[in-house]
Amino acid sequence: DTEVTQTPKHLVMGMTNKKSLKCEQHMGHRAMYWYKQKAKKPPELMFVYSYEKLSINESVPSRFSPECPNSSLLNLHLHALQPEDSALYLCASSQGFTGPEKLFFGSGTQLSVL
Amino acid sequence: DQQVKQNSPSLSVQEGRISILNCDYTNSMFDYFLWYKKYPAEGPTFLISISSIKDKNEDGRFTVFLNKSAKHLSLHIVPSQPGDSAVYFCAASEGGANSKLTFGKGITLSVRP
Repeated sequence: DTEVTQTPKHLVMGMTNKKSLKCEQHMGHRAMYWYKQKAKKPPELMFVYSYEKLSINESVPSRFSPECPNSSLLNLHLHALQPEDSALYLCASSQGFTGPEKLFFGSGTQLSVL
Repeated sequence: DQQVKQNSPSLSVQEGRISILNCDYTNSMFDYFLWYKKYPAEGPTFLISISSIKDKNEDGRFTVFLNKSAKHLSLHIVPSQPGDSAVYFCAASEGGANSKLTFGKGITLSVRP
């Protein structure tokens, strides 16, 4: 199983809603990532979890709240988002987070904030 | 300031010919480079990588060349096939303490039958 599974695939939410994005992998990877990608732009790193601990927060606004309940699951809780937060949110995993690593990506959640 | 640059937004080649996708970087601390391919509505999938201790890595139809002095790498696909039509991202990391990847903007490759 070399898959990273993300749900939902599409999400439309209002600025006052609370929603969550979910990501799951069963490859035994110990590092998991959230990336954000706007149209015609490169993926931008948001958060990295290594061994279920938050290792990197790329100065992401607090309206995005990550959670890593266990080594296979990664959530991104969304609250009071802005229309400019509309983007493709990609989850990824890798074996570890030290040294060069190959990342495996999910298909993403296309988020629209109205 | 973009540390990984893919200056050509698109490339169109004939099926069976060679596709050459270029990537430049500015951070001299980068020592591991990867190429990812992305189809619409899918996440990026890993294609090939190269460490800075090498100048070439080959995997089937895909070869990546690294020129450290020029801070330049290229992906060669030969022969190109229509199924190769996708967006290709170059990515780099400093290795060391963490594996944070920095991506380029991507190149859209179209392979004409």
